[in-house]
Amino acid sequence: DGGITQSPKYLFRKEGQNVTLSCEQNLNHDAMYWYRQDPGQGLRLIYYSQIVNDFQKGDIAEGYSVSREKKESFPLTVTSAQKNPTAFYLCASSPPDTNNSPLHFGNGTRLTVT
Amino acid sequence: ELKVEQNPLFLSMQEGKNYTIYCNYSTTSDRLYWYRQDPGKSLESLFVLLSNGAVKQEGRLMASLDTKARLSTLHITAAVHDLSATYFCAVESLTSQGAQKLVFGQGTRLTINP
Repeated sequence: DGGITQSPKYLFRKEGQNVTLSCEQNLNHDAMYWYRQDPGQGLRLIYYSQIVNDFQKGDIAEGYSVSREKKESFPLTVTSAQKNPTAFYLCASSPPDTNNSPLHFGNGTRLTVT
Repeated sequence: ELKVEQNPLFLSMQEGKNYTIYCNYSTTSDRLYWYRQDPGKSLESLFVLLSNGAVKQEGRLMASLDTKARLSTLHITAAVHDLSATYFCAVESLTSQGAQKLVFGQGTRLTINP
């Protein structure tokens, strides 16, 4: 079955530590995205990538970094520079032809930083 | 900058009643998406609305799009408890590279009581 796998589901870290969230897809989608969701709020775009070895900042990229070395993988690193990292992080992908195609979302990683 | 606003943000209703969730957006777009999110879960695509006047129906849910008014509605008919969830609308804007960038509303938390 094709889909998007995010791991881990829950992640706990101490303040000041960098942490990397995994996102893997086997849908053969070109575009991948990272969104952040805070309690009771909508999703905000962190980074996105259209093709391998290229990515763009979204609306709230500060304190985050990404890489896109393979089409299937788009890991997100939450750095110590991110002031409020505790949130629910969702990875998504979309095929090249976006007509009639909504974003496909992974199951999310809930990050808690104390 | 594209802004998306939903109302109401919270909605508590009784089974069997009808209600409508509204989604307004600030700049021109021809594509709008509705998603459902259950607590602690990822987003599930409900509807993709691609043009002015588009109407889609699935079971007790019906979505419509008026691009001239920059308004979409999600109508719930004869609500049942299983429809309790948070509903998001998302409006598409394409980046200069053709990436499908979605801007989300704040979400409407719907609770349906027996």
